[in-house]
Amino acid sequence: DAGVIQSPRHEVTEMGQEVTLRCKPISGHDYLFWYRQTMMRGLELLIYFNNNVPIDDSGMPEDRFSAKMPNASFSTLKIQPSEPRDSAVYFCASSLAFEAQPQHFGDGTRLSIL
Amino acid sequence: GNSVTQMEGPVTLSEEAFLTINCTYTATGYPSLFWYVQYPGEGLQLLLKATKADDKGSNKGFEATYRKETTSFHLEKGSVQVSDSAVYFCALVYGGSQGNLIFGKGTKLSVKP
Repeated sequence: DAGVIQSPRHEVTEMGQEVTLRCKPISGHDYLFWYRQTMMRGLELLIYFNNNVPIDDSGMPEDRFSAKMPNASFSTLKIQPSEPRDSAVYFCASSLAFEAQPQHFGDGTRLSIL
Repeated sequence: GNSVTQMEGPVTLSEEAFLTINCTYTATGYPSLFWYVQYPGEGLQLLLKATKADDKGSNKGFEATYRKETTSFHLEKGSVQVSDSAVYFCALVYGGSQGNLIFGKGTKLSVKP
């Protein structure tokens, strides 16, 4: 079975540009999560969706960040405008609803803002 | 509140050494407990889990036992290999919701030949 698929794997862009990260969760999963990982701050939960509905976006750092999930098989995380401090690895993960089920992570998007 | 505390790294061991990475938690009720592993350049993946007290999770030679009396879920392996070099995350889910997942800060393990 295909796992969580993220694109692009790497993104390098100049500050001020719009960045769009994409995620395809595992089919049938009810939850989708967006995380950010940096050396300084570790792994941070940005937002998560349940059945395509955003449930908790308290981890989204600023209004420059937005996330959507238009259907069960696709989600985007946008940064507009981007800043150098947004440089990080962004992970998408999905899971079934039950507490004992693990989250399945994609391989991440390594984002560098120059 | 709910939280996960795991030992600070990095941890450096020689091949075939015994590994322990400590993890303790604070949670209401009876959380499910997990260990995730992150290899370089990859996302996190589940290593093992335990869902109730005294359960032992095991996988790839790693083990961890859900100890409610000490609120701990320490990760152990009897003989580590170079290929075990990675970052290990302890995590819990509480309250029956996947949205209530809390990760520890991660422990980096380096195994030298």
